[in-house]
Amino acid sequence: DQQVKQNSPSLSVQEGRISILNCDYTNSMFDYFLWYKKYPAEGPTFLISISSIKDKNEDGRFTVFLNKSAKHLSLHIVPSQPGDSAVYFCAASEYNNNDMRFGAGTRLTVKP
Amino acid sequence: DADVTQTPRNRITKTGKRIMLECSQTKGHDRMYWYRQDPGLGLRLIYYSFDVKDINKGEISDGYSVSRQAQAKFSLSLESAIPNQTALYFCATSDLEGDGHEQFFGPGTRLTVL
Repeated sequence: DQQVKQNSPSLSVQEGRISILNCDYTNSMFDYFLWYKKYPAEGPTFLISISSIKDKNEDGRFTVFLNKSAKHLSLHIVPSQPGDSAVYFCAASEYNNNDMRFGAGTRLTVKP
Repeated sequence: DADVTQTPRNRITKTGKRIMLECSQTKGHDRMYWYRQDPGLGLRLIYYSFDVKDINKGEISDGYSVSRQAQAKFSLSLESAIPNQTALYFCATSDLEGDGHEQFFGPGTRLTVL
């Protein structure tokens, strides 16, 4: 029972264009959402997060959008850079609960 | 130096063997976690610990046990390894302060059970 789903296993974009990675969830009790980035042979690293009281959070080139009614969040990267090529995991948890659920990941390739 | 280290980084073992994966952290965090990553499934939580005396089962704890020897050390054991435990294993930590949601991951241990 995957409560967090990333339906696109891969995404390829041109350098300088926008990358949009999507994530859907089924558990309405989730109220905190995170994106992690993972390079080969390394552990995931935290990228950006959003709580359910917001619908947008921005950090430099990275913006996360949350649509609670649709149980959907997305990560926008603009402009995309070759160094952004990695696997991106969406994760979610309930308030004050560290049982975090992860999506299967989306492999982003940014072409020069 | 890495804040979260895992040993070994790679391990090949045989069915039925006992295996221990170790995790150490220098971040001073109270909370520690063990995850496994499988293709197409993302990361799944095996066990987590809020302090030395607090151990909690995660989503997929069957076949695993853990020990929190100190604030900085959290080990994962497979008492009798089986092939479907072949996976990439990650240790992670988080801070008790704040909401504790952001987790810091080690580099992973690739375990193969033949």
